[in-house]
Amino acid sequence: DAGITQSPRHKVTETGTPVTLRCHQTENHRYMYWYRQDPGHGLRLIHYSYGVKDTDKGEVSDGYSVSRSKTEDFLLTLESATSSQTSVYFCAIRPMNTGELFFGEGSRLTVL
Amino acid sequence: GQQVMQIPQYQHVQEGEDFTTYCNSSTTLSNIQWYKQRPGGHPVFLIQLVKSGEVKKQKRLTFQFGEAKKNSSLHITATQTTDVGTYFCCGGGGADGLTFGKGTHLIIQP
Repeated sequence: DAGITQSPRHKVTETGTPVTLRCHQTENHRYMYWYRQDPGHGLRLIHYSYGVKDTDKGEVSDGYSVSRSKTEDFLLTLESATSSQTSVYFCAIRPMNTGELFFGEGSRLTVL
Repeated sequence: GQQVMQIPQYQHVQEGEDFTTYCNSSTTLSNIQWYKQRPGGHPVFLIQLVKSGEVKKQKRLTFQFGEAKKNSSLHITATQTTDVGTYFCCGGGGADGLTFGKGTHLIIQP
């Protein structure tokens, strides 16, 4: 197993509430990513991180922020959740020497 | 930005038939990766191709990278029920993540 866990795995919330998803890794990899997966859209990159306090936006970053204060944790925050953010969110890590992505098991978020 | 198109979106096959999914990029890729996602699961890395014209095999799966490094294919010979899932290609290479195709859903009828 890749040593990557996401929490919570399932969450139901109401429009306008803040939500934070956590990605935790035990592999000490620098690169971490947040993707969202929606039917008909595949996997779309939200934000990524090169290392502690070093993050950048992906193609669908509007409405999301991230933080990485420790190598092992990458947090995704929805400041004010909207129904369009109902999705399955996947965190991934990437070893520098091999290049492939290792995904967490996903967090299913429903915004009512 | 870079776009990766994948076809078909859905493919129904009888068990034992072959299956192919195709991936095309709007730009030249440094490499291409393939992932498989079982229903309800998370994407799992299958393989990475780097060289122009490269062909790699994993048992019944054959992966090809085009000569111009702008297209790729995944071919499964004699599909089995364990092959069910969604297959994604993914192009790119830099630290800014990888651009995924929308995936091909493989549905197998026994």
